[in-house]
Amino acid sequence: GQNIDQPTEMTATEGAIVQINCTYQTSGFNGLFWYQQHAGEAPTFLSYNVLDGLEEKGRFSSFLSRSKGYSYLLLKELQMKDSASYLCAGMDSNYQLIWGAGTKLIIKP
Amino acid sequence: DAMVIQNPRYQVTQFGKPVTLSCSQTLNHNVMYWYQQKSSQAPKLLFHYYDKDFNNEADTPDNFQSRRPNTSFCFLDIRSPGLGDAAMYLCATSSGTGHPYEQYFGPGTRLTVT
Repeated sequence: GQNIDQPTEMTATEGAIVQINCTYQTSGFNGLFWYQQHAGEAPTFLSYNVLDGLEEKGRFSSFLSRSKGYSYLLLKELQMKDSASYLCAGMDSNYQLIWGAGTKLIIKP
Repeated sequence: DAMVIQNPRYQVTQFGKPVTLSCSQTLNHNVMYWYQQKSSQAPKLLFHYYDKDFNNEADTPDNFQSRRPNTSFCFLDIRSPGLGDAAMYLCATSSGTGHPYEQYFGPGTRLTVT
C-alpha cells in the first residue's frame, strides 16, 4: 500500500531550528513535496525533491533519501508566522500525490 | 496574477439539499483536481481531470459528481449532502507536463451541512 508518515505535532521556539521528518511508501516514485498550510487556508507549495540530497530555499531546506524512503523539512530562524501545518506528499508512478496528514508546528515566543 | 479561484469561500447547505462548488483558473493548466479535507487530516483526492479526461477515485462516493465544461472551469456537485460531507473542498491545478508537477491550490470552500 501507499503511505506517508509524519509526526502529528511539534513545538519549537521563535528563532530556533526545527526538523520535520517524513517517511514514505509509494507505488513508484516521482518526487517528494512539502506544502505549508495555515489554519483554514489552502496548502501552498514549499519544496520538491526528486534526487537525493538537500535543497535549500532561504530559511527552508528539504532533504531526500530515496533508498531510505525518507525526507525532512528544515526550518531555520523560526518566526511566529511559521506556525502552520506542514504536509509531506509523495508522487507515485501515476503522478498522483499521496498526502500525509500534516505536522502541526507550534512556535512559542 | 494567474491564480485558482474558488467560489463561494463559505457555503452552508441543508442536509440532502444539492450544492455546487465552483473553481476557475487563469493558469491554463491541463489538470484540475478536487480534494476533500477534514480537520487535521490529509487532503483526500475525489477526482481529477486531465483536459477532458475524467478520473474518479475508487472510493469517491457516488454522491459526488464533477463537471469540467472548459479548460478554465470545474464544478463539484454534491447531490445529497450528509453531515459527514462537511469539510473544506480544495480545487488544485497542475500543468501536467514536466517536473515538478507542482499543484496550485485555490483558497478552498468550507462547506457546512445543517
